Amino acid sequence: AQSVTQLDSHVSVSEGTPVLLRCNYSSSYSPSLFWYVQHPNKGLQLLLKYTSAATLVKGINGFEAEFKKSETSFHLTKPSAHMSDAAEYFCVVRLSGGSYIPTFGRGTSLIVHP
Amino acid sequence: NAGVTQTPKFQVLKTGQSMTLQCAQDMNHEYMSWYRQDPGMGLRLIHYSVGAGITDQGEVPNGYNVSRSTTEDFPLRLLSAAPSQTSVYFCASSYSNRGSQETQYFGPGTRLLVL
Repeated sequence: AQSVTQLDSHVSVSEGTPVLLRCNYSSSYSPSLFWYVQHPNKGLQLLLKYTSAATLVKGINGFEAEFKKSETSFHLTKPSAHMSDAAEYFCVVRLSGGSYIPTFGRGTSLIVHP
Repeated sequence: NAGVTQTPKFQVLKTGQSMTLQCAQDMNHEYMSWYRQDPGMGLRLIHYSVGAGITDQGEVPNGYNVSRSTTEDFPLRLLSAAPSQTSVYFCASSYSNRGSQETQYFGPGTRLLVL
């Protein structure tokens, strides 16, 4: 079985300050983990993914995430928020053994204040 | 490439009406899926397909039918619309479903309102 928990439904930051969006997962097998971003009234777009090659993963638009097996976490960070980062972010887990059907977190809404 | 396309963008239905949401991809992807997105619920899988002629149920399949006669198209049918089916529907595709590392590509979504 697999599950994913996004610990915050909303995160509010000021422009230019760091961003931290938290994601914890549980799985019986080695997971692949993804972060997707959804801008208002748009589809989802891949930000980055972890596939066991490296624990620190760099994505688009300055985002990165670190896979921590001991903490079963895959938190998303960015050093300096931009107004254009305001969006909904989804953490997703897929197992390396099994049906490969992805499980989505409930999403975190990132609000960026000027 | 157009990627994943969905039509219509927005639809209003009356309770009991039927309709088909269209999804097409031009990337020769084997795996296609339909999700619904409701506030605070994330995305929930309705149906998926691992190739032409093969479909299976996801987490919330009741009230929906799918078929996959070609690699490119994966329509979602609402048999008798209910207000509980008011949602935003996303179609997604990936090259295959044989590995956990596959990236999914999403369409722009269809907003459905059932009165």
